[in-house]
Amino acid sequence: AQSVTQPDIHITVSEGASLELRCNYSYGATPYLFWYVQSPGQGLQLLLKYFSGDTLVQGIKGFEAEFKRSQSSFNLRKPSVHWSDAAEYFCAVVRYNNNDMRFGAGTRLTVKP
Amino acid sequence: DAGVIQSPRHEVTEMGQEVTLRCKPISGHDYLFWYRQTMMRGLELLIYFNNNVPIDDSGMPEDRFSAKMPNASFSTLKIQPSEPRDSAVYFCASSPPDRGYGYTFGSGTRLTVV
Repeated sequence: AQSVTQPDIHITVSEGASLELRCNYSYGATPYLFWYVQSPGQGLQLLLKYFSGDTLVQGIKGFEAEFKRSQSSFNLRKPSVHWSDAAEYFCAVVRYNNNDMRFGAGTRLTVKP
Repeated sequence: DAGVIQSPRHEVTEMGQEVTLRCKPISGHDYLFWYRQTMMRGLELLIYFNNNVPIDDSGMPEDRFSAKMPNASFSTLKIQPSEPRDSAVYFCASSPPDRGYGYTFGSGTRLTVV
């Protein structure tokens, strides 16, 4: 079945440490790929997106993501996490022949002082 | 631009009552989406519109749910009658025709049915 998988439900990192959130998709062709962040009680904010070109994309708030076609992955990274990064992170795809966005289950990030 | 505007932010209603959620998309965005977010099921796409026309409503859970988009600047999601299991956060999002642009989400409506 076509899907978006975020294997980690919850991740805890120390402030200042590096972060990687995993995302895998299973679609026949490379879809459009997105990462969103949701703070408690808030809507979803777009962090970054990929649909072609350079496989390493830069986003807002110091985040980046790398697309790896061979692994069907689009992992989100940040070199040094800040306490304000604590939130829920969602990977999402829009298929090449469609326009509805499908989301992974989300990864909740906790940042330790 | 003020972004996607949803109202109300919070709604508490009694079981059996009709509930109407409202959304104003970003001007110039041709697509409008309604999502529901719960702890159990995550973010679910309920329905989406293109140029005010419903394109895919396969995610609408039951006939109790209906959505309309009478014009390019307004959409409603109605639940009649409401049930406790409808309690969730409902998000509206809009996007331009370029699917690579991404969606812009509203702040959501937290619905509680008691």
